[in-house]
Amino acid sequence: QKEVEQNSGPLSVPEGAIASLNCTYSDRGSQSFFWYRQYSGKSPELIMFIYSNGDKEDGRFTAQLNKASQYVSLLIRDSQPSDSATYLCAVNKGGGGFKTIFGAGTRLFVKA
Amino acid sequence: EPEVTQTPSHQVTQMGQEVILRCVPISNHLYFYWYRQILGQKVEFLVSFYNNEISEKSEIFDDQFSVERPDGSNFTLKIRSTKLEDSAMYFCASSDYRQESEKLFFGSGTQLSVL
Repeated sequence: QKEVEQNSGPLSVPEGAIASLNCTYSDRGSQSFFWYRQYSGKSPELIMFIYSNGDKEDGRFTAQLNKASQYVSLLIRDSQPSDSATYLCAVNKGGGGFKTIFGAGTRLFVKA
Repeated sequence: EPEVTQTPSHQVTQMGQEVILRCVPISNHLYFYWYRQILGQKVEFLVSFYNNEISEKSEIFDDQFSVERPDGSNFTLKIRSTKLEDSAMYFCASSDYRQESEKLFFGSGTQLSVL
């Protein structure tokens, strides 16, 4: 079983729509959850983090966490062509942890 | 805005040669990491470093790899005898102390090509 699993996509949405990206993780002890965005040929960039069950909103982004289901999601509202990138789900055991594990990423394509 | 700096951006080497990849983490960060990404694949954890010692390492980080913080600013990854399969983008990352220690800030990477 992969530690962090994501649908590789591509996920294609029209401009202005909501993009929904999902992730599951295997380690129940995980406490910190992150979404990174990676443009082609570039390094990952942190866009959202969440530690508690529920929703966390930041601008057009909402992260959702369900620890019982070991499930993390990212919603992007009013998707823009500039949101086209690979979105990486990442998981850390927390507590000042030293090892963050990444999923393989979901490619998002926003059509103008 | 503070950033993680990596040099060189590209490194070409012959199989069996030693390479050193260099990184300057964000100045007030205390946790340092190396990740790699083979073309088309996921970002893989190699090693984390804190308080001048390795904190965690992955199965990939075998005896051919070593890390060092030779001074107060640089953080290096050495591959002693490169293999073809070491060809990848290598990312250095750093993170802040206290509650936000898990948030990683990545450098722009060093593309390593082993011929």
